[in-house]
Formats: sequence, C-alpha cells, structure tokens
Amino acid sequence: DAKTTQPNSMESNEEEPVHLPCNHSTISGTDYIHWYRQLPSQGPEYVIHGLTSNVNNRMASLAIAEDRKSSTLILHRATLRDAAVYYCILRDLAYSGAGSYQLTFGKGTKLSVIP
Amino acid sequence: DGGITQSPKYLFRKEGQNVTLSCEQNLNHDAMYWYRQDPGQGLRLIYYSQIVNDFQKGDIAEGYSVSREKKESFPLTVTSAQKNPTAFYLCASSIAPAYNEQFFGPGTRLTVL
Repeated sequence: DAKTTQPNSMESNEEEPVHLPCNHSTISGTDYIHWYRQLPSQGPEYVIHGLTSNVNNRMASLAIAEDRKSSTLILHRATLRDAAVYYCILRDLAYSGAGSYQLTFGKGTKLSVIP
Repeated sequence: DGGITQSPKYLFRKEGQNVTLSCEQNLNHDAMYWYRQDPGQGLRLIYYSQIVNDFQKGDIAEGYSVSREKKESFPLTVTSAQKNPTAFYLCASSIAPAYNEQFFGPGTRLTVL
C-alpha cells in the first residue's frame, strides 16, 4: 500500500492560513488523496479529496503537486475549532478488494491554533 | 437530522465478558464499517459490510464479531477472545463501499477492568 508522511505537529495563529503538507512518493496512478480530521474525543470528519487537480470546498483547499508525490491541505483562515489531528490518506478506488473500502489512517498532524 | 449514532459513549466491562456496541445510521447508506483507535494512533479496520446480510473481516477482526440484519444497524460484539479490548471504537458508513466520503459516529470508549 502506498504510504503517506506527515509532520507530527504544527502550530498556527488564529485567523492566519495554514498549510498542512503530506508526502506520498509511492502514490500510484489510481490513488485518490483524501484528508480527514479528528477533533479530540470525536470521530473523524471528511475534509476533502482529489486525484490530480487542485480542489476547493467550503472547508479547505487541496493543492496537489504536478508529479502527485506530495499534496498540501490549506485552511484559509484558521479558527480555534480547526484544532484537530489531520490525516492524509491514499485510497485506490480502482481496486475492488478490502483495500479500497477501508481508510488507512496513520498518526496524522496535530494542529494547534493559538488565539 | 441524518447521521450515525453510537451508544453508549463510555462503557466499562469486566475482563472475560462479551460486550456489544451499537451503531445506527439513518443516512440510507449501504456500506458500514467498524474501526478501532488506540491512544495516539490512527484507526484500524475491524469489519466492514457492503450490504445487508454481508460482512467482511478487516485487518484486526480476531476477537470481534458483527451482524448486519438491517441496513441501518451494524452492531459490534467484543468477545472475551479479544486480548486487549480497551480502546476507542468508531463506526462509519458510506453511500457505497468505495464511495469517497465516510461518515463517522461519535465513538464508544470501551474500558475493560
């Protein structure tokens, strides 16, 4: 399975943009890049996903490198409610076995937001 | 409001007892999943179900059992055979098995004394 590498922790000041990096140098052509976040003592929450092109939604933006070996989740204005662990996950949706059904979570990046 | 509910939020059991964790969804999703999370770790898949009356083992199914008799319900039983059952258990669902977005419940924190 293709793996991802994220920094253990990051800090941001409130109302400033945050760029959360993820390296996935062994990504395959059919791997989608997903981001989830988990607030303390809660279940994870879907943030965004993409394949090749940059993506925007109401929560965040996803910037994908041209060679797809890295990506960056961008929170445009961090709030205190954005303090969470952010997970970068690869899913091969072209594969029909169990690997395409599960989300393989690593340890993620713990984002702290300073008021 | 549509969503996934898990009950109870906290559960305490004595060693050697079986315990069943509840997971209900009213999103009309076909696929449901059970994950386990240990402190400071990511999630690991226990079981998943693509459709009613069908379920498959995930990476760490030993010591657990599930049933999927109704579309909206996917209970997980932690049996006495599970060697280290104390953990945070998360249930999730998605429209279809390989659909991009999984919706998670609030979790059940199980402590075995």
